[in-house]
Amino acid sequence: NAGVTQTPKFRVLKTGQSMTLLCAQDMNHEYMYWYRQDPGMGLRLIHYSVGEGTTAKGEVPDGYNVSRLKKQNFLLGLESAAPSQTSVYFCASSLRSGGGADTQYFGPGTRLTVL
Amino acid sequence: KQEVTQIPAALSVPEGENLVLNCSFTDSAIYNLQWFRQDPGKGLTSLLLIQSSQREQTSGRLNASLDKSSGRSTLYIAASQPGDSATYLCAVAAQGGSEKLVFGKGMKLTVNP
Repeated sequence: NAGVTQTPKFRVLKTGQSMTLLCAQDMNHEYMYWYRQDPGMGLRLIHYSVGEGTTAKGEVPDGYNVSRLKKQNFLLGLESAAPSQTSVYFCASSLRSGGGADTQYFGPGTRLTVL
Repeated sequence: KQEVTQIPAALSVPEGENLVLNCSFTDSAIYNLQWFRQDPGKGLTSLLLIQSSQREQTSGRLNASLDKSSGRSTLYIAASQPGDSATYLCAVAAQGGSEKLVFGKGMKLTVNP
């Protein structure tokens, strides 16, 4: 099992450009999440999904869109990148909610710089 | 709004010491609490998960306790090793589900040989 993988690992964008971050998991997990990690702010939830075809807003959703067309993939889109979106983005997944199935498994991260 | 605090932000200790890492949260109505480890430039690895009905969980040299009424959790690391050097993060999920984790800012641990 590869676990949770993220593509790309690094990216530099200019203000106003768009891009999509891809997250894939091979553990047949129902739940998937996108976080951003910033110095001094910790990890914050952007969007999450509780199953194929569903998405929901987290703590900091503005400026981002997501899609979960396939159970194994969770895409994070930036339509018009801003310097404030410079961050490290982490994807995570969990089997479901309840009992030990809550454990979240994280990908290695994508380091995004917006100039 | 739930807030999670980890103090101190950094800790440096000699190898072999028994350590206690602290986590506090403002709203005691939690669903569960999780401890993670993050190595530099890497993603997070789950260490222990404590359900709201539990008081503690153990895995090898790690023991995590939960006191909901006081809004506190501790992660105990026995006989620390240089390989334990990492940032440790605490996260809580609100009642109703584990989808929305609120993270502390982490504590950077350095274990010196």
